[in-house]
Amino acid sequence: NAGVTQTPKFRILKIGQSMTLQCTQDMNHNYMYWYRQDPGMGLKLIYYSVGAGITDKGEVPNGYNVSRSTTEDFPLRLELAAPSQTSVYFCASSYEQGAGKLFFGSGTQLSVL
Amino acid sequence: AQSVTQLGSHVSVSEGALVLLRCNYSSSVPPYLFWYVQYPNQGLQLLLKYTSAATLVKGINGFEAEFKKSETSFHLTKPSAHMSDAAEYFCAVKGGGADGLTFGKGTHLIIQP
Repeated sequence: NAGVTQTPKFRILKIGQSMTLQCTQDMNHNYMYWYRQDPGMGLKLIYYSVGAGITDKGEVPNGYNVSRSTTEDFPLRLELAAPSQTSVYFCASSYEQGAGKLFFGSGTQLSVL
Repeated sequence: AQSVTQLGSHVSVSEGALVLLRCNYSSSVPPYLFWYVQYPNQGLQLLLKYTSAATLVKGINGFEAEFKKSETSFHLTKPSAHMSDAAEYFCAVKGGGADGLTFGKGTHLIIQP
């Protein structure tokens, strides 16, 4: 059981570069989320999806884009990376609305220099 | 909007001592509350959740939390700390995109031998 898988685990970007953080889950969950975690700030919701083809903004969406073409995959795209996007990114999924339990990936540590 | 406040960014206890991590919530509706744990370099894992059933909720690894409406609190406790409990602990409340979770800033639990 893989659960939620995120790649890559670490990445260093230069300012202005772009990249995609990959997230895939094998639990057939409809609900998927992207959070960023900054030291001492907890987790902030970037984007979420309630099913294939449906996405919406969370609390901190600026500078990011997402897509959800399949139930399994929910990639996060960074366009024109900025130092403020240096963070740890977590993908999560859940099987029920109301976030009864979130299943988290192991995270992607991103540095923008 | 729902929110949670965790009191104390760092808590240090001796091995075998009581663990008490504090969380207060703000919610306009009866809340669903959660405690998650994050071990180093890992994603978050659910410890326990309150969904308006019993006010004393038992979770994994010997942790429990008590919902007190009069105090708007949901503190996490464990009678006897183990070295393996050293981690970051997050209180969270249902609310946010797709009924995702709004997280507190986290409390780093340090266990002293």
